[in-house]
Amino acid sequence: GAVVSQHPSWVICKSGTSVKIECRSLDFQATTMFWYRQFPKQSLMLMATSNEGSKATYEQGVEKDKFLINHASLTLSTLTVTSAHPEDSSFYICSARVLGSYNEQFFGPGTRLTVL
Amino acid sequence: GENVEQHPSTLSVQEGDSAVIKCTYSDSASNYFPWYKQELGKGPQLIIDIRSNVGEKKDQRIAVTLNKTAKHFSLHITETQPEDSAVYFCAASTPNDYKLSFGAGTTVTVRA
Repeated sequence: GAVVSQHPSWVICKSGTSVKIECRSLDFQATTMFWYRQFPKQSLMLMATSNEGSKATYEQGVEKDKFLINHASLTLSTLTVTSAHPEDSSFYICSARVLGSYNEQFFGPGTRLTVL
Repeated sequence: GENVEQHPSTLSVQEGDSAVIKCTYSDSASNYFPWYKQELGKGPQLIIDIRSNVGEKKDQRIAVTLNKTAKHFSLHITETQPEDSAVYFCAASTPNDYKLSFGAGTTVTVRA
């Protein structure tokens, strides 16, 4: 149980294009999903908190117009990196908090984004 | 905000020995402390967690201890095996927003 999937697992795109990453909770409902980015050999940095049916809350320093988040249902959240640039290349990971649970968060397998 | 510090940054142990990773946190309101294992190219996997109303929790070879007064918690892995080699992250969260604040990570290498 508590499986979170991400799609795609990796993506290569040209500078200036937009990329959408999906995060799904497969066997549970998630009231809250979180998006992180992780640079090589570094820790996870929280980008935003996504609540179903409401606007995402972004961490300080994260551009909300560049990283668009949509949480349309209790099992799906999407992150769109708009007008991607090479500095956006990173490992993007989502997590989901189980509806009604304490604080447990389960993480997806991550999406490797490379912007050329 | 919450600040979590984790030590050591790297840890090399002989197979069969124990490994200990320590974390401290700053926000006394934090009440949930999970530990994650991350293998190369994968997402973090929850391996054990502890809540502020208990001082110790054990699951087979893995145990976590929590000292609320001192605001530190530790991960103990006994009888280490090569498959325990990975990066381990501690984290802490408060009950108001469920956000996780992560430590910097510990790269554990188990030598066969």
